[in-house]
Amino acid sequence: NAGVTQTPKFRILKIGQSMTLQCTQDMNHNYMYWYRQDPGMGLKLIYYSVGAGITDKGEVPNGYNVSRSTTEDFPLRLELAAPSQTSVYFCASSYGTGDGYTFGSGTRLTVV
Amino acid sequence: KQEVTQIPAALSVPEGENLVLNCSFTDSAIYNLQWFRQDPGKGLTSLLLIQSSQREQTSGRLNASLDKSSGRSTLYIAASQPGDSATYLCAVNTSGSRLTFGEGTQLTVNP
Repeated sequence: NAGVTQTPKFRILKIGQSMTLQCTQDMNHNYMYWYRQDPGMGLKLIYYSVGAGITDKGEVPNGYNVSRSTTEDFPLRLELAAPSQTSVYFCASSYGTGDGYTFGSGTRLTVV
Repeated sequence: KQEVTQIPAALSVPEGENLVLNCSFTDSAIYNLQWFRQDPGKGLTSLLLIQSSQREQTSGRLNASLDKSSGRSTLYIAASQPGDSATYLCAVNTSGSRLTFGEGTQLTVNP
């Protein structure tokens, strides 16, 4: 059971480039989430999804886009990367309302 | 808006000590509270999940309590070991579909 898988683990982007962070889960969880973690800080919610075809903004959605075409996959798209998007990105999933979360191992992104 | 605070921000103890990490939250209307462990450069590992109807949960040397009315949770670690050194994060589920995290307590257990 792989759980939540994120790729890539590390990436360096130049300012203005774009990329997609991949996230897939094999637990048949309905809910999926993207968080970012800045050094010494807690995690901030970027976007979340309660099911295929449904997405919603979290606390810090600016500069990001998401899609949820299948239950398993929840990619995060960065358009026009900026230094402020340098962070560690975590994908997570849960079965439903009030259930525990399972996190991926993270993607460390640096924008230079 | 839910706000989660963890005290202390950092804690250093000798091996074998029992210790308590604190988490407080401003909105008591929660679904559940989850404690995570994060090792440097790694992802989050779930330790304990307490539903709003529960008062505590135990796993091995870990015990987490929840007092919803006062907006507090504690994570008790018994007989601490160097391998317990990590950052411990408290997260509160208020809306049913998202977690609000504290900034964590960085724990160091010295041999």
